[in-house]
Amino acid sequence: QVQLQQWGAGLLKPSETLSLTCGVYGGTLSGYYWSWIRQPPGKGLEWIGEVNHSGSTTYNPSLNSRVTISADTSKNQFSLKLSSVTAADTAVYYCARLTFGGDVGAYWGQGTLVTVST
Amino acid sequence: EIVLTQSPGTLSLSPGERATLSCRASQTVRSNYLAWHQRKPGQAPRLLIYGASRRATGIPDRFSGSGSGTDFTLTISRLEPEDFAVYYCQQYGGSPWTFGQGTKVEIK
Repeated sequence: QVQLQQWGAGLLKPSETLSLTCGVYGGTLSGYYWSWIRQPPGKGLEWIGEVNHSGSTTYNPSLNSRVTISADTSKNQFSLKLSSVTAADTAVYYCARLTFGGDVGAYWGQGTLVTVST
Repeated sequence: EIVLTQSPGTLSLSPGERATLSCRASQTVRSNYLAWHQRKPGQAPRLLIYGASRRATGIPDRFSGSGSGTDFTLTISRLEPEDFAVYYCQQYGGSPWTFGQGTKVEIK
């Protein structure tokens, strides 16, 4: 059973860089795309982007200029960096594997509340 | 970007009743790549339906999905106590993936 466990700083100041990492247990990065998704307070889910084991990425254009997602196959983990954060980036951030073809399944991390405040 | 609009925002029903949730897309969802997720407080979402009508592994058959193009429906034939939750539709036919705002199914 695949499990995702995420970690990273939960309190940032405006203009800082958000950094989160997600460890994959019970499975491998290879063969799948791995996503970051966030949910601001009282709002819906927003897909941030995805990465595969070889580092190929796709980002949401709304965040494209500020986001970097990377994969580290040696550690079986992937990471999110979001630069120049503002209060609008306050949200619960999730790592996830959402696979809708072949080995269909959805696996989510536990979520990390990231608050941006002075 | 495909915008997904879910209705109603809240559905108040009793256990045993039928729930019908709607998800409308701003443009055609390629190959009906539409999923439904269930979310309970303090838990990660659970995948219910993918490909508009295919149940994910382990999902009871009281959950069914239908629709195509721009109009999709999630039906829960008889609500069980554990079904009261928030439901999100999501399209993965176009980039970026997008989610609806959610429909809360609450106990009447």
